[in-house]
Amino acid sequence: QLQLQESGPGLVKPSETLSLTCTVSGGYISNSSYYWGWIRQPPGKGLEWIGTIYYSGNTYYNASLKSRVTISEDTSKNQFSLKLTSVTAADTAVYYCARQPTLKYFQNWGQGTLVTVSS
Amino acid sequence: QSALTQPASVSGSPGQSITISCTGTSSDVGSYNLVSWYQQHPGKAPKLMIYEVSKRPSGVSNRFSGSKSGNTASLTISGLQAEDEADYYCCSYAGSNTLVFGGGTELTVL
Repeated sequence: QLQLQESGPGLVKPSETLSLTCTVSGGYISNSSYYWGWIRQPPGKGLEWIGTIYYSGNTYYNASLKSRVTISEDTSKNQFSLKLTSVTAADTAVYYCARQPTLKYFQNWGQGTLVTVSS
Repeated sequence: QSALTQPASVSGSPGQSITISCTGTSSDVGSYNLVSWYQQHPGKAPKLMIYEVSKRPSGVSNRFSGSKSGNTASLTISGLQAEDEADYYCCSYAGSNTLVFGGGTELTVL
């Protein structure tokens, strides 16, 4: 059974870089049938797509975040990662990783991890 | 791109049917049959309920159905049950390998 697990610091200081990792079990991120994405949800608010990576390394980003976001993969560890630079309080959110059978929807989700931006 | 527009809240009694709308533009919902819907219970991760406008993943009740007309997609839940009380989000492909979500709708089962 596929499982996705987000991990990383729960507290990040303003202007620093948020770094999260999604560890996949029960499936391989190198499988050409899938894309792997990041979504976030500020407390009490809606979902926002951050970006997606394909096994080939191709990446696709939300235009509003593109200048600050990097998504990468480590197939040897079956993980993919998110880096968001120059964070502010507005980046405080629950961050989810997900598997996408196509770029167009999210089939399986991790449980999410809360990241708070505060000094 | 701007978020898709959903009603903030809808409600219905057990056994009734409700419909949640998701309005976009001719650049997203109107151009592609690539709308998906997610159910989210408090404190939980979203769950895929509908993809590609009207397709149901294995294991999702056939009480959930999706449709689209022009720039507006809809999620209908028939035979409303207490367990359906949750937040619902639509999502659409918006071209150029990008996705956009709706603002979410809180469903209350009276």
